[in-house]
Formats: sequence, C-alpha cells, structure tokens
Amino acid sequence: DAKTTQPTSMDCAEGRAANLPCNHSTISGNEYVYWYRQIHSQGPQYIIHGLKNNETNEMASLIITEDRKSSTLILPHATLRDTAVYYCIVRGVNDMRFGAGTRLTVKP
Amino acid sequence: GAGVSQSPSNKVTEKGKDVELRCDPISGHTALYWYRQSLGQGLEFLIYFQGNSAPDKSGLPSDRFSAERTGGSVSTLTIQRTQQEDSAVYLCASSRLKNSGNTIYFGEGSWLTVV
Repeated sequence: DAKTTQPTSMDCAEGRAANLPCNHSTISGNEYVYWYRQIHSQGPQYIIHGLKNNETNEMASLIITEDRKSSTLILPHATLRDTAVYYCIVRGVNDMRFGAGTRLTVKP
Repeated sequence: GAGVSQSPSNKVTEKGKDVELRCDPISGHTALYWYRQSLGQGLEFLIYFQGNSAPDKSGLPSDRFSAERTGGSVSTLTIQRTQQEDSAVYLCASSRLKNSGNTIYFGEGSWLTVV
C-alpha cells in the first residue's frame, strides 16, 4: 500500500508557482520522500527527494515539515509542459510503491 | 551515461502466446525493479532484484509471470499464455543500491498489447 495521500487533481496558471502537497503521517525515520512525475504513459521522471531537510534542484524545491508528516513540491514557474501526474512516494529499504498521484494541469 | 533501456518498445501478441520483455539497467546499478501500468491506471509493483539476493516476487499477479536477472545485470520478464488483461506498459527501473536514499530511475517501458 502507498503510504502517502495526495489531492487527486490541481490546476495552476502558467508562470505561477505550483505547490503540490503530500501527507505521509506514518513515515519512518529512515524513509525518504521522493517525487516523480509521469507525462502520458512515459516512464516516470525523477524530480527530487529528501529525508528531513528542504531540498532544491534545477527542477523543483521540496519542503518537508519538521515532523516529516507532510511535504510540498514546488515548481517555481510552471509551464504547459509541466502538465503531468505527480507522485509523492515514501521509499523504504526495498521497493517503491506508487499511489494515484496528483494530476496537475497547467493552464495558459 | 545511458539510462535504463527496455526492449521491445512495443509488442503485439496473440492471446495464449508467451512474451519476453528485456531490461538493461543503468551500468553499476545493483537493484532492479519491474512495474506494470494498465491504461489510465497507476503503477503496480511486480518484482524486485537486489544483487545476488533472492528476488521479492510479492507483486507478481499470477504464476504466468516470472522474471530472472542473469549476471546481476540484464533482466527478462516472461509472461506465459498471455491474456488480454495483460495488456499494459511494463516499466523497468534500477538504482545503484537498495538503500532508500538511492534514486530509482525508470526506462520508457515496453507496451504490450494482447489481441
């Protein structure tokens, strides 16, 4: 079973920041939070991951709450090409289980 | 370097035939995963390999499905006596180690259509 809860869908205006929330209240101390996205049925694309500190890379920022029970993925300037399903995943030692994700639609 | 490579990219097969799907993980990656995604659905975990350890087969949907990984690198997913409900994209992924801090990278998948 996926250990995360995400909204089913979200809209965002082109050029604005997209903030995608994720709840993972049962996360364990050694589990990382990963974000992937999938455009149509292409292979999932890795975005970012973190353990407890906030992280930033060229694609996005990841904000993890101090209690690690939730996180937010931030796409600072969303473009139409960011329209995709975004998956928040809590990864344990072995496999990685995907939930339903959030379908983000970036609108002109 | 090269990413996860899967072949064939598309396969159409008749019901009842066997199919083999191949995955070449990223060089040096010891962990390899297979997932399945039916049209409009989420990713379904199938099987996981880590080095020389026994694979985690807990996600395989039936005994018609099997996978092997030879020499710790290339993996083959075999579906015997295919059924129409096996139609899906089969995704392979790999990571350097199994530890949770190691990123898993996906291939572009093998689209299987059973007619």
